[in-house]
Amino acid sequence: AQSVTQLGSHVSVSEGALVLLRCNYSSSVPPYLFWYVQYPNQGLQLLLKYTSAATLVKGINGFEAEFKKSETSFHLTKPSAHMSDAAEYFCAVSEGRSQGNLIFGKGTKLSVKP
Amino acid sequence: GAVVSQHPSRVICKSGTSVKIECRSLDFQATTMFWYRQFPKQSLMLMATSNEGSKATYEQGVEKDKFLINHASLTLSTLTVTSAHPEDSSFYICSAREFGSLGQSSEQFFGPGTRLTVL
Repeated sequence: AQSVTQLGSHVSVSEGALVLLRCNYSSSVPPYLFWYVQYPNQGLQLLLKYTSAATLVKGINGFEAEFKKSETSFHLTKPSAHMSDAAEYFCAVSEGRSQGNLIFGKGTKLSVKP
Repeated sequence: GAVVSQHPSRVICKSGTSVKIECRSLDFQATTMFWYRQFPKQSLMLMATSNEGSKATYEQGVEKDKFLINHASLTLSTLTVTSAHPEDSSFYICSAREFGSLGQSSEQFFGPGTRLTVL
C-alpha cells in the first residue's frame, strides 16, 4: 500500500526566505510523485511531478523538488518566497507506470509574512 | 494543460433535496474520472472512480446509493448527492484522466471544485 506523510500542517516564512515543505512517501513499487497547490475555494493545480526520470524536478512558479529514494522523500523547495505563494500544498503518490489512483498527504498550509 | 470544468461552483440546498454536480473535460477525452471530497482544512479523499460506459467503483465507506455517479460520455461525469443532509456539506472536486495512444495513463487534471452547503 502507498502512503504519503507531510511533516508540518502549517509552515510560515517571511517574504524572500527559503520555502521547504516536507514530504515522505511509502510505496512497494516505483512511485510517481506529485506536488499540487490549492488556493482557497479552488481545485488543485499541478506544481511538478516526478516520473522516474531526473531526480531533481523543476516546476512552475520557481518551485522544485528532489526525489531521494534512500530517504523516501520528495521535499518541495523555493529559494525565495513570494506573498502569492501563500496556499495549501499537497504531496501525492501513485503507482509508477500504471499511474493508479493518487494518494494525497494531509497538506501543508504555507503562510508568507511581509 | 488540459482543462476540467465543474458546475455549479457553489450550491446551497435544503435538507432532503438532491443535487447534481457536473464535471467536464473541455479539450480531451477522459476515459477515467475521479470524484474527491474535501472537508475543511483536510486533504482530498477519493470517493469513487468512474470509467466511461461502466459502473463507478466506490471507495470503502462511500454509499453508492447516496452518491450516484454517471459517466455517460468521454467528456462528462456527474455526481448526484441524493437526499442531501447537512453532514454532506463539503467541497467536491473531480479530476479527469485520459489514456495515451500506447495505452499508458496520463496525469489527472483537476476541476475547480463545487462547494455544497446543505441547510
